[in-house]
Formats: sequence, structure tokens, C-alpha cells
Amino acid sequence: NAGVMQNPRHLVRRRGQEARLRCSPMKGHSHVYWYRQLPEEGLKFMVYLQKENIIDESGMPKERFSAEFPKEGPSILRIQQVVRGDSAAYFCASSPDSRARGTGGQFFGPGTRLTVL
Amino acid sequence: AQKITQTQPGMFVQEKEAVTLDCTYDTSDQSYGLFWYKQPSSGEMIFLIYQGSYDEQNATEGRYSLNFQKARKSANLVISASQLGDSAMYFCAMREGWGKLTFGQGTILTVHP
Repeated sequence: NAGVMQNPRHLVRRRGQEARLRCSPMKGHSHVYWYRQLPEEGLKFMVYLQKENIIDESGMPKERFSAEFPKEGPSILRIQQVVRGDSAAYFCASSPDSRARGTGGQFFGPGTRLTVL
Repeated sequence: AQKITQTQPGMFVQEKEAVTLDCTYDTSDQSYGLFWYKQPSSGEMIFLIYQGSYDEQNATEGRYSLNFQKARKSANLVISASQLGDSAMYFCAMREGWGKLTFGQGTILTVHP
């Protein structure tokens, strides 16, 4: 049973370019969460999605960031016109439902390390 | 106010000894969950242990145990018989409501031979 998959694992972009980060949840999971980890900090919640719906985007910066989780395919976190401050590790987690309990709560992917030059 | 506080930026322990990593939390919810994750230098987030707010017994997973003191709002991680491979960053996290996790700042654990 494959875990949460994220790609690419490492992404380098120049200022002003677009970054697209992909997350495939675990099989049977319909809930996806994105977190950002800035250097030397803990993870910060960004957005929570279900298939075709954004449930909570309270942690998303107001501009340049967007997320989707289409009916088919992976969840995408998109950052337009990247700046150096966007350099971070971006983690995706998935769960089978919103009230998942115990160790079945959230499973994390390996993360995407974004570097903006 | 911080929801999750880890007051130890760094901890050192001798191999084979036990170590306690501190975590305090703040919530007004009655139902919540507390998690510990390990992040080695390779960067992935490894789930270690979970404690539900209604669980009466402290959670244990192998060498990991969670010292849950609800009245004090603390959820300390105890690692017994430390190994060199335990050297990593450790994060405490809390789940409230529908599932969003709030993380502490982390504690870097270094195990000495």
C-alpha cells in the first residue's frame, strides 16, 4: 500500500517563475492537507481540501498561492511569481476522513523542497 | 497565545539512557488529539505516537511513551534506551476539530555514544 507521494522532491525556480507541487494521497484517502516548513521552524498549516472542494484555506497567503484537488489526479499546490521567501519544504498529508482518529489521523508525504534563486 | 509550546530547543542524551521531551498545549476543546513526529536530517515526517484527549491510559509505542497530564495540559514524549538513530528534530502537534494539525517549534535531540 503506497504511502503519500509528492513530486518533485526538489524544485528549483528563479524569482518570478511558477512552482507546481503535486501530492497523491494514500489509496482510499479523500482528504488532503498542505503544510509549509520554513527553515528552522515547525510546520504551518496552509490549506485543507477534499475532492473538488477547498474546505479551509485560512493558512494560505492571500496572493500568488492556490491549491486544488480535482476529481481525478493529484492535489496541486501552485505558487505564482515565486519570491525568495517562498523557499521552504512543503508537506502534504492525507487522511481517510475528517474525523480520523488515532494513528489513522494524517499520513505525511516526503515533502517537496522548493528553492527560489 | 501559542497553541503548542516546546520549550527545549535542544536536548542531549547519552546512548541507552532515557530522555523526556516537553510539550504543553492550549485548547478549549474537549476533544483533541496529540501527536509526536520525528524529522531526521533527511527531512521526512515520521509519526511516532498519538494520544487522544479521552484516552485514560498513556500511549506507548515500543520505546516511545507519552506522559499525558491533562490537567497540566502537557504531553511529554519519553524515549527509553536512546539510540544513535534517535538523533533528530522532534515535533509535538495537536489536532482540534476536523483535522488540521498545529505544530510546536520542535526540539533537536542529539544522542551521544
